[in-house]
Amino acid sequence: AQKITQTQPGMFVQEKEAVTLDCTYDTSDQSYGLFWYKQPSSGEMIFLIYQGSYDEQNATEGRYSLNFQKARKSANLVISASQLGDSAMYFCAMSTGGFKTIFGAGTRLFVKA
Amino acid sequence: DVKVTQSSRYLVKRTGEKVFLECVQDMDHENMFWYRQDPGLGLRLIYFSYDVKMKEKGDIPEGYSVSREKKERFSLILESASTNQTSMYLCASSIYSGAPYEQYFGPGTRLTVT
Repeated sequence: AQKITQTQPGMFVQEKEAVTLDCTYDTSDQSYGLFWYKQPSSGEMIFLIYQGSYDEQNATEGRYSLNFQKARKSANLVISASQLGDSAMYFCAMSTGGFKTIFGAGTRLFVKA
Repeated sequence: DVKVTQSSRYLVKRTGEKVFLECVQDMDHENMFWYRQDPGLGLRLIYFSYDVKMKEKGDIPEGYSVSREKKERFSLILESASTNQTSMYLCASSIYSGAPYEQYFGPGTRLTVT
């Protein structure tokens, strides 16, 4: 069965510091994609970053990078130089193509001034 | 700018009422989805549609139905609302692709059933 696990219900980080949000996944498929989404208090989910299972390089998008360790089945999100606007819920998700994407329970990040 | 809109941000309904949640996307996406979001459970897929008039059950379809008469519009219907359907409902869309592709989400509808 496919599964996404986010073990950190909540995280605190000081402004301007880096933070890592953990995500582990389980699938028997060889081809899959991993996503991170941000959900601010306004409610709208915002796509942040994508990593394909065959991508050899870790994905990066501005201050976001995805630390992909295939053998460990982990896809941690790293946010560098945290900003107050980064305070939000963050969801890790996985898709094996087609239509279905499964989501983790989420991690709430609090950025302290 | 790409847009997914949902008909209401907040909705309060009584037990037994029929409830319609509307979602419209302007990106000409083939795929549309309805999720339910509950604390500690993440997002769970209720139904999805990959074409007009086509629909597939997700993980928790019981108590819900959907309608897609036009490509841009996907409706979620609660036939007889119950208190355990109090939740945040998120609509999303994506292009059709055999490979994984990101989804674009609406702002959500927070439904309370009393």
